[in-house]
Parts: sequence; structure tokens; C-alpha cells
Amino acid sequence: GAGVSQSPRYKVTKRGQDVALRCDPISGHVSLYWYRQALGQGPEFLTYFNYEAQQDKSGLPNDRFSAERPEGSISTLTIQRTEQRDSAMYRCASSLAQGSYEQYFGPGTRLTVT
Amino acid sequence: QQPVQSPQAVILREGEDAVINCSSSKALYSVHWYRQKHGEAPIFLMILLKGGEQKGHDKISASFNEKKQQSSLYLTASQLSYSGTYFCGTEQMEYGNKLVFGAGTILRVKS
Repeated sequence: GAGVSQSPRYKVTKRGQDVALRCDPISGHVSLYWYRQALGQGPEFLTYFNYEAQQDKSGLPNDRFSAERPEGSISTLTIQRTEQRDSAMYRCASSLAQGSYEQYFGPGTRLTVT
Repeated sequence: QQPVQSPQAVILREGEDAVINCSSSKALYSVHWYRQKHGEAPIFLMILLKGGEQKGHDKISASFNEKKQQSSLYLTASQLSYSGTYFCGTEQMEYGNKLVFGAGTILRVKS
């Protein structure tokens, strides 16, 4: 079956613009996670959902970052008023359930803020 | 709260063995291991759960010392395809179901 997909794969935006990153998880996966990954580093947790409920948003850096999963499937990570320091690889992952289940990562969206 | 991985990097020849360690200062529910090749997404290898259960690939072995909050990943008879960066992700009791990943161990297998 299809894996986790993300779009766009690459996004270049000017400082101050808003961006929306999309994640389409594996069908039937309850849990969806958003990470940010700097080059040469491990994924850094941002937020996660079970179905449509946002369970933990403690990793979101500030209030410019928000995420939603309104129908319990596709999720959108939105960054408002982007800054250069937001430039990174943003990955999502999905799993059958929360906790001790393997996470399947998507290919990521490479965001560059100029 | 980020787990510490060691070594930072290791170079092997095909057929040699390696051990990658992951240590946490926090009490853990589970430890997850992933491998990431350059330009690709991390791929699941194994989960080790508090209580001794393991889930993962047959050809990968690992251990989880619950008392020390340490895990080790054992790569035996390494192949060129084992090259990549290995990350441990810890599910910490204090922080619920999110994974906190280490900085990674770079493994390079040479022919």
C-alpha cells in the first residue's frame, strides 16, 4: 500500500509569508506526528494527533506554528510569518496507534525561507 | 532529555560487527531504533519495550537495560547496505507518548 506522503516536497518562501505543509498518513493509522529535522541531527518532535485530537503540542517552537487534522486523516502544519530560522526539513510520521508502535516517516518537506 | 548515543561515528569493513549505544537520564517506556540513509526518510528497525518485549526485524538484535535506561543495537556481519545514520528514539515516562531522538550514530561499511 501507499506510504506516508507529504507535499510540497520543496518550498521556498520569503520571510514573512505563511506556509502550509501537508501530510497524508498511511490509511488506517490513528496517530500522526510532526517532526523537524536539522541536517545531521535526529528528528525533533513538534506535535502529534490521535485521530483528529491534538494530544501534545509541546514541541511547537512558538505560536507562529500550528497544526490540525480536522477529519482524522490528512494533517496540515502551518507556519505564519516565516523567519529564516524556520528553514529545515519537516517530516511527518504515522503509526497504528500512539506509543510503542513503529512510526512510518514521510519523505519530508524541505522548507527554505529567504 | 535527549538521549546520548555513542559512538558518534564508526567505520567498519564488510563482515565486521558493531554496537551502537543509547543512554537516557529519564525513565523509559520504550526505545525505538531507526536507520536513515542520506536524503531519505528514517526507516524503522526495532522497538524494545519495558518488560522485555521486542518488535522488529529478525536480522537486527538489540537490548534494553531498564535499570540503567540504556539500549544497545547489535549489527553483526555488517553489509554495505547497513551504512547510514542510526537514531534511537526514547519514549520517556515523564513526557508521554512522543519520541525524543538522539543525535545519531553514523555508520559506514566499506568493502
